[in-house]
Amino acid sequence: GESVGLHLPTLSVQEGDNSIINCAYSNSASDYFIWYKQESGKGPQFIIDIRSNMDKRQGQRVTVLLNKTVKHLSLQIAATQPGDSAVYFCAENAGGTSYGKLTFGQGTILTVHP
Amino acid sequence: DGGITQSPKYLFRKEGQNVTLSCEQNLNHDAMYWYRQDPGQGLRLIYYSQIVNDFQKGDIAEGYSVSREKKESFPLTVTSAQKNPTAFYLCASSPPTGLNTEAFFGQGTRLTVV
Repeated sequence: GESVGLHLPTLSVQEGDNSIINCAYSNSASDYFIWYKQESGKGPQFIIDIRSNMDKRQGQRVTVLLNKTVKHLSLQIAATQPGDSAVYFCAENAGGTSYGKLTFGQGTILTVHP
Repeated sequence: DGGITQSPKYLFRKEGQNVTLSCEQNLNHDAMYWYRQDPGQGLRLIYYSQIVNDFQKGDIAEGYSVSREKKESFPLTVTSAQKNPTAFYLCASSPPTGLNTEAFFGQGTRLTVV
């Protein structure tokens, strides 16, 4: 399950470094996973998604890795920029056609220092 | 300019009053969702609707009500029965099953009970 609280995990990196944000999901029946970026006071913004029949998917500067054996998801951001600073959420969907019916993790705060 | 519009951005309510949050989308998506976000936490599903005139409870539906009379609109009413309504409310929509199935979010409504 997910831990719930006011103290989010944090990751602090220097501009240009690669960032890796990790997420443990809870439902072994989940077959669709998605990463969102949320800036302060705004709605979540889609980054990348992956289905359970894949273990890796790449986008522009981002890569998502899925390890179903240990129920682990990670987001890799290459050449991190100050504009990447935000809270990052992983989310899972346990099947069906409502792909917006998601269970969210608690989030990770990414801070990028110039 | 397609997207999801939530209004108002900020909303203040006196204790004991009902209040309705608006969500409109012009993406021609069938499914729509309402999430609640509390400080330092992930999003939790309140209600969702897969088609017009149909909706289902999410994980935290108590104290809330919805309607889906039009495909474009999915208003959320926060009733006086909701014990702790102060939160950030997010509306989302998703397309039918296909290649691109990610849910898109609006910019949120911040509700404060005074």
